[in-house]
Amino acid sequence: DTAVSQTPKYLVTQMGNDKSIKCEQNLGHDTMYWYKQDSKKFLKIMFSYNNKELIINETVPNRFSPKSPDKAHLNLHINSLELGDSAVYFCASTSTGELFFGEGSRLTVL
Amino acid sequence: SQQGEEDPQALSIQEGENATMNCSYKTSINNLQWYRQNSGRGLVHLILIRSNEREKHSGRLRVTLDTSKKSSSLLITASRAADTASYFCSSHNTNAGKSTFGDGTTLTVKP
Repeated sequence: DTAVSQTPKYLVTQMGNDKSIKCEQNLGHDTMYWYKQDSKKFLKIMFSYNNKELIINETVPNRFSPKSPDKAHLNLHINSLELGDSAVYFCASTSTGELFFGEGSRLTVL
Repeated sequence: SQQGEEDPQALSIQEGENATMNCSYKTSINNLQWYRQNSGRGLVHLILIRSNEREKHSGRLRVTLDTSKKSSSLLITASRAADTASYFCSSHNTNAGKSTFGDGTTLTVKP
């Protein structure tokens, strides 16, 4: 079983559209994250949730709205997509500080 | 870099040689971790060193930490072609509840 799974793996869409990426972890971790990795491979934290509660919001535009229906799930909804949103989005979870990553969702905005 | 720096950005070596990557970070930490990312994949945790430790080994990996210089190094000994990947350090602050990643080093090991 995949520990941290994200869907979809690839997403190609037009500017202005709204899209969602889903993440689920079966590790029993309390904390989940969204990271953005740009074309230069820089990894930047976007959000952190602990037990469904938002802990970190790293000055991400309001167009990005995370939702955690339970501690095993953290979804990311993006409104009004822009060209600069093209990146690979990684979900991760942890209980001890060691991060377990999903395989990433590559978003391409045309 | 806003996040922390790694050097070199890219490293190309022959199989059997050692590879050393360095990382600097900016804030106080509880631990520092190293991750590996194969092309098109997610990051995989390699090793964690706590702020009160100076050196740690795991198989062919050796990590050092110098908190006075806010720096760490990752040494991979007797490299293999399968070690080809990007390597990232991540400084973790428990109070802040987050891990901040360095810019990464892309390692190519030629067979």
